[in-house]
Amino acid sequence: EVQLLQSGGGLVQPGGSLRLSCAASGFTFSDYAMSWVRQAPGKGLEWVSAISTNGGSTYYADSVKGRFTVSRDNSKNTLYVEMNSLRAEDTAVYYCAKDIWSRWFDPWGQGTLVTVSS
Amino acid sequence: DIQLTQSPSFLSASVGDRVTITCRASQGINNYLAWYQQKPGKAPKLLIYVASTLRSGVPSRFSGSGSGTEFTLTISSLQPEDFATYYCQQLNSYPRTFGQGTKLEIK
Repeated sequence: EVQLLQSGGGLVQPGGSLRLSCAASGFTFSDYAMSWVRQAPGKGLEWVSAISTNGGSTYYADSVKGRFTVSRDNSKNTLYVEMNSLRAEDTAVYYCAKDIWSRWFDPWGQGTLVTVSS
Repeated sequence: DIQLTQSPSFLSASVGDRVTITCRASQGINNYLAWYQQKPGKAPKLLIYVASTLRSGVPSRFSGSGSGTEFTLTISSLQPEDFATYYCQQLNSYPRTFGQGTKLEIK
Protein backbone atom coordinates (compact mmCIF):
# COMPACT_ATOMS: atom_id res chain seq x y z
CA GLU A 1 0.00 0.00 0.00
CA VAL A 2 1.32 3.43 -0.95
CA GLN A 3 1.67 5.60 2.14
CA LEU A 4 3.00 9.04 2.96
CA LEU A 5 3.54 9.64 6.66
CA GLN A 6 4.19 13.21 7.70
CA SER A 7 5.88 14.62 10.79
CA GLY A 8 7.43 17.80 12.10
CA GLY A 9 4.63 20.31 12.48
CA GLY A 10 3.98 22.49 15.51
CA LEU A 11 3.95 25.98 16.97
CA VAL A 12 6.73 28.36 15.99
CA GLN A 13 7.26 32.07 16.58
CA PRO A 14 7.27 34.56 13.70
CA GLY A 15 10.72 34.62 12.13
CA GLY A 16 11.42 31.08 13.28
CA SER A 17 12.18 27.90 11.38
CA LEU A 18 10.69 24.44 11.09
CA ARG A 19 11.37 21.32 9.05
CA LEU A 20 8.63 19.01 7.86
CA SER A 21 9.23 15.43 6.80
CA CYS A 22 7.23 13.04 4.62
CA ALA A 23 8.23 9.36 4.79
CA ALA A 24 7.16 7.31 1.79
CA SER A 25 6.48 3.60 1.58
CA GLY A 26 4.86 1.13 -0.79
CA PHE A 27 6.44 2.49 -3.98
CA THR A 28 9.83 3.26 -5.49
CA PHE A 29 10.28 6.73 -4.03
CA SER A 30 13.16 7.69 -6.31
CA ASP A 31 10.96 7.22 -9.41
CA TYR A 32 8.53 10.01 -8.55
CA ALA A 33 8.57 13.77 -8.18
CA MET A 34 6.97 15.05 -5.00
CA SER A 35 5.12 18.19 -3.97
CA TRP A 36 4.06 20.14 -0.92
CA VAL A 37 0.61 21.76 -0.72
CA ARG A 38 -0.79 23.80 2.16
CA GLN A 39 -4.20 24.85 3.37
CA ALA A 40 -4.68 27.81 5.70
CA PRO A 41 -7.49 27.43 8.24
CA GLY A 42 -10.84 27.57 6.48
CA LYS A 43 -9.23 28.29 3.11
CA GLY A 44 -8.50 26.46 -0.12
CA LEU A 45 -5.49 24.51 -1.32
CA GLU A 46 -2.25 26.31 -2.22
CA TRP A 47 0.57 24.54 -4.03
CA VAL A 48 3.86 25.33 -2.26
CA SER A 49 6.78 23.47 -3.80
CA ALA A 50 7.88 20.54 -5.94
CA ILE A 51 11.04 18.52 -6.42
CA SER A 52 12.14 16.23 -9.23
CA THR A 53 13.03 12.59 -8.81
CA ASN A 54 16.73 13.15 -8.11
CA GLY A 55 16.34 16.54 -6.45
CA GLY A 56 18.04 18.31 -9.31
CA SER A 57 15.05 20.53 -10.05
CA THR A 58 12.98 22.39 -7.52
CA TYR A 59 10.00 24.73 -7.89
CA TYR A 60 8.38 27.17 -5.48
CA ALA A 61 5.32 29.35 -5.15
CA ASP A 62 6.19 33.04 -5.10
CA SER A 63 4.79 33.25 -1.57
CA VAL A 64 7.55 31.00 -0.18
CA LYS A 65 10.42 31.50 -2.62
CA GLY A 66 13.64 32.36 -0.81
CA ARG A 67 12.27 31.19 2.55
CA PHE A 68 11.40 27.51 1.97
CA THR A 69 13.73 24.81 0.68
CA VAL A 70 12.46 21.46 -0.55
CA SER A 71 14.76 18.45 -0.55
CA ARG A 72 14.66 14.68 -0.57
CA ASP A 73 16.76 11.75 0.58
CA ASN A 74 16.07 8.85 -1.75
CA SER A 75 18.11 6.49 0.44
CA LYS A 76 15.68 7.18 3.29
CA ASN A 77 12.54 7.46 1.11
CA THR A 78 11.86 10.82 2.68
CA LEU A 79 10.81 14.26 1.45
CA TYR A 80 11.55 17.42 3.41
CA VAL A 81 10.71 21.08 3.43
CA GLU A 82 12.81 23.50 5.47
CA MET A 83 10.78 26.58 6.33
CA ASN A 84 12.62 29.73 7.44
CA SER A 85 11.57 33.28 8.26
CA LEU A 86 8.10 32.01 9.03
CA ARG A 87 5.20 34.44 9.02
CA ALA A 88 1.70 34.33 10.47
CA GLU A 89 0.36 33.80 6.95
CA ASP A 90 2.32 30.53 6.70
CA THR A 91 -0.02 29.03 9.31
CA ALA A 92 -1.63 26.08 7.57
CA VAL A 93 -1.96 22.35 7.33
CA TYR A 94 0.86 21.17 5.07
CA TYR A 95 0.42 18.11 2.87
CA CYS A 96 2.99 16.17 0.89
CA ALA A 97 1.82 14.45 -2.28
CA LYS A 98 3.18 11.95 -4.77
CA ASP A 99 3.37 13.57 -8.18
CA ILE A 100 2.38 11.07 -10.87
CA TRP A 101 4.21 11.87 -14.11
CA SER A 102 3.66 15.57 -13.34
CA ARG A 103 0.00 15.08 -14.22
CA TRP A 104 -1.77 14.39 -10.92
CA PHE A 105 -1.16 14.03 -7.19
CA ASP A 106 -1.97 10.69 -5.62
CA PRO A 107 -1.91 9.96 -2.76
CA TRP A 108 -1.51 12.75 -0.26
CA GLY A 109 -0.02 12.58 3.21
CA GLN A 110 -2.25 12.95 6.24
CA GLY A 111 -1.24 16.58 6.75
CA THR A 112 0.62 18.34 9.54
CA LEU A 113 -0.36 21.63 11.17
CA VAL A 114 2.12 24.49 11.30
CA THR A 115 1.11 27.42 13.49
CA VAL A 116 3.14 30.61 13.38
CA SER A 117 2.30 32.74 16.38
CA SER A 118 3.93 34.54 19.27
CA ASP B 1 0.68 32.06 -13.63
CA ILE B 2 -2.40 30.17 -14.75
CA GLN B 3 -5.53 31.09 -12.80
CA LEU B 4 -8.33 28.58 -12.25
CA THR B 5 -11.84 29.80 -11.51
CA GLN B 6 -14.36 27.31 -10.18
CA SER B 7 -18.10 27.85 -10.23
CA PRO B 8 -20.16 27.77 -8.24
CA SER B 9 -18.27 28.29 -4.97
CA PHE B 10 -21.19 26.80 -3.03
CA LEU B 11 -23.75 24.30 -4.19
CA SER B 12 -26.74 22.99 -2.29
CA ALA B 13 -28.22 19.76 -3.62
CA SER B 14 -30.17 16.68 -2.60
CA VAL B 15 -29.34 13.00 -2.63
CA GLY B 16 -30.00 11.69 -6.13
CA ASP B 17 -29.43 15.02 -7.86
CA ARG B 18 -27.09 15.48 -10.81
CA VAL B 19 -24.59 18.25 -10.23
CA THR B 20 -21.94 19.90 -12.36
CA ILE B 21 -18.97 21.97 -11.25
CA THR B 22 -17.06 24.09 -13.76
CA CYS B 23 -13.37 25.00 -13.76
CA ARG B 24 -12.11 27.66 -16.16
CA ALA B 25 -8.43 28.21 -16.82
CA SER B 26 -6.96 31.58 -17.75
CA GLN B 27 -5.09 29.92 -20.63
CA GLY B 28 -4.86 26.52 -22.28
CA ILE B 29 -3.59 23.69 -20.08
CA ASN B 30 -3.42 20.78 -22.55
CA ASN B 31 -6.11 18.95 -20.55
CA TYR B 32 -3.68 18.51 -17.66
CA LEU B 33 -6.42 19.04 -15.12
CA ALA B 34 -7.18 17.00 -12.02
CA TRP B 35 -10.17 16.98 -9.68
CA TYR B 36 -9.95 16.23 -5.96
CA GLN B 37 -12.50 15.66 -3.21
CA GLN B 38 -11.80 16.84 0.32
CA LYS B 39 -13.82 16.12 3.44
CA PRO B 40 -13.39 18.13 6.66
CA GLY B 41 -10.17 17.33 8.50
CA LYS B 42 -8.97 14.97 5.78
CA ALA B 43 -6.44 15.11 2.98
CA PRO B 44 -7.71 15.62 -0.57
CA LYS B 45 -8.36 12.52 -2.65
CA LEU B 46 -7.91 12.23 -6.40
CA LEU B 47 -11.07 11.66 -8.44
CA ILE B 48 -10.22 12.51 -12.06
CA TYR B 49 -6.96 13.14 -13.91
CA VAL B 50 -6.05 14.45 -17.34
CA ALA B 51 -9.50 16.05 -17.44
CA SER B 52 -11.57 12.90 -17.94
CA THR B 53 -9.81 9.77 -16.66
CA LEU B 54 -11.49 8.27 -13.61
CA ARG B 55 -9.09 7.12 -10.91
CA SER B 56 -9.35 3.42 -10.19
CA GLY B 57 -11.72 2.79 -7.30
CA VAL B 58 -13.67 6.03 -7.74
CA PRO B 59 -17.39 5.41 -8.33
CA SER B 60 -18.56 5.74 -11.92
CA ARG B 61 -21.11 8.41 -10.96
CA PHE B 62 -18.15 10.81 -11.09
CA SER B 63 -17.07 11.99 -14.53
CA GLY B 64 -14.89 14.71 -15.97
CA SER B 65 -14.98 16.42 -19.33
CA GLY B 66 -13.77 19.46 -21.18
CA SER B 67 -10.81 20.73 -23.10
CA GLY B 68 -8.88 23.89 -23.76
CA THR B 69 -9.78 26.21 -20.92
CA GLU B 70 -13.15 24.91 -19.71
CA PHE B 71 -13.63 21.72 -17.74
CA THR B 72 -16.43 20.14 -15.77
CA LEU B 73 -16.84 17.61 -12.99
CA THR B 74 -20.22 15.90 -12.95
CA ILE B 75 -21.73 13.70 -10.27
CA SER B 76 -24.61 11.85 -11.89
CA SER B 77 -26.57 10.89 -8.78
CA LEU B 78 -25.44 12.37 -5.49
CA GLN B 79 -24.86 10.00 -2.62
CA PRO B 80 -24.62 11.04 1.05
CA GLU B 81 -20.85 10.47 1.06
CA ASP B 82 -20.37 12.93 -1.82
CA PHE B 83 -21.05 16.02 0.26
CA ALA B 84 -17.60 17.57 0.45
CA THR B 85 -15.44 20.29 -1.13
CA TYR B 86 -14.13 19.78 -4.64
CA TYR B 87 -11.01 21.34 -6.16
CA CYS B 88 -9.60 21.44 -9.66
CA GLN B 89 -5.85 21.70 -10.25
CA GLN B 90 -3.84 22.42 -13.36
CA LEU B 91 -0.57 20.53 -13.90
CA ASN B 92 0.42 22.03 -17.24
CA SER B 93 2.93 24.45 -15.74
CA TYR B 94 4.37 25.75 -12.49
CA PRO B 95 2.99 26.95 -10.17
CA ARG B 96 0.54 24.04 -9.96
CA THR B 97 -2.50 26.19 -9.21
CA PHE B 98 -5.79 25.07 -7.69
CA GLY B 99 -9.27 26.44 -8.12
CA GLN B 100 -10.78 28.10 -5.06
CA GLY B 101 -12.99 25.12 -4.32
CA THR B 102 -16.67 24.24 -4.52
CA LYS B 103 -18.41 23.27 -1.30
CA LEU B 104 -21.23 20.84 -1.95
CA GLU B 105 -23.80 20.87 0.82
CA ILE B 106 -26.93 18.89 1.55
CA LYS B 107 -30.15 20.75 0.76
